[in-house]
Amino acid sequence: AQKITQTQPGMFVQEKEAVTLDCTYDTSDQSYGLFWYKQPSSGEMIFLIYQGSYDEQNATEGRYSLNFQKARKSANLVISASQLGDSAMYFCAGPSARQLTFGSGTQLTVLP
Amino acid sequence: NAGVTQTPKFQVLKTGQSMTLQCAQDMNHNSMYWYRQDPGMGLRLIYYSASEGTTDKGEVPNGYNVSRLNKREFSLRLESAAPSQTSVYFCASSEEGAGTEAFFGQGTRLTVV
Repeated sequence: AQKITQTQPGMFVQEKEAVTLDCTYDTSDQSYGLFWYKQPSSGEMIFLIYQGSYDEQNATEGRYSLNFQKARKSANLVISASQLGDSAMYFCAGPSARQLTFGSGTQLTVLP
Repeated sequence: NAGVTQTPKFQVLKTGQSMTLQCAQDMNHNSMYWYRQDPGMGLRLIYYSASEGTTDKGEVPNGYNVSRLNKREFSLRLESAAPSQTSVYFCASSEEGAGTEAFFGQGTRLTVV
């Protein structure tokens, strides 16, 4: 069984600072991947970043990066230089697009 | 640039009524999914379809049926709606292969009274 755990229901960050959103996972698959999605208050699901279990380097997409620690089974999302528009719900999900299991999410609020 | 289109966006049903949520994608994806999102929880998979003509149960299939009408369309039916099915429903689609993200529709907010 796959399980995705996000232990931070809510986080606050000052504008222009960096923030890390935690995600741990449990899977028996040898090959898997972790996704991060953003859900603003408007409700749509926006794909942010992906990390595969065999990727040697941590994934980066603009201001988003993934701190992937396979031994700890964690795939934390790092947002650098936070902007007010980053205020949203963030979901970690895995292990594959076909059978995505979502965490319960972290509500991020960026303070001016 | 339609992507994944869901209809309707909002719906109120009375207990026991039936309805079908429609979903269509124009990205030529083989795989399609239905999720529900309840407050304080992430999305949970109801059903998915790996290809035209095939469907499989996800984590929470009870009370739902699905139809993969063709490659583009994947519908979700509530035969006898219950208040516990009050939720936001998302349809999604994806390509095959590792690292391919799922693309989501805008969601349908369903209230069963």
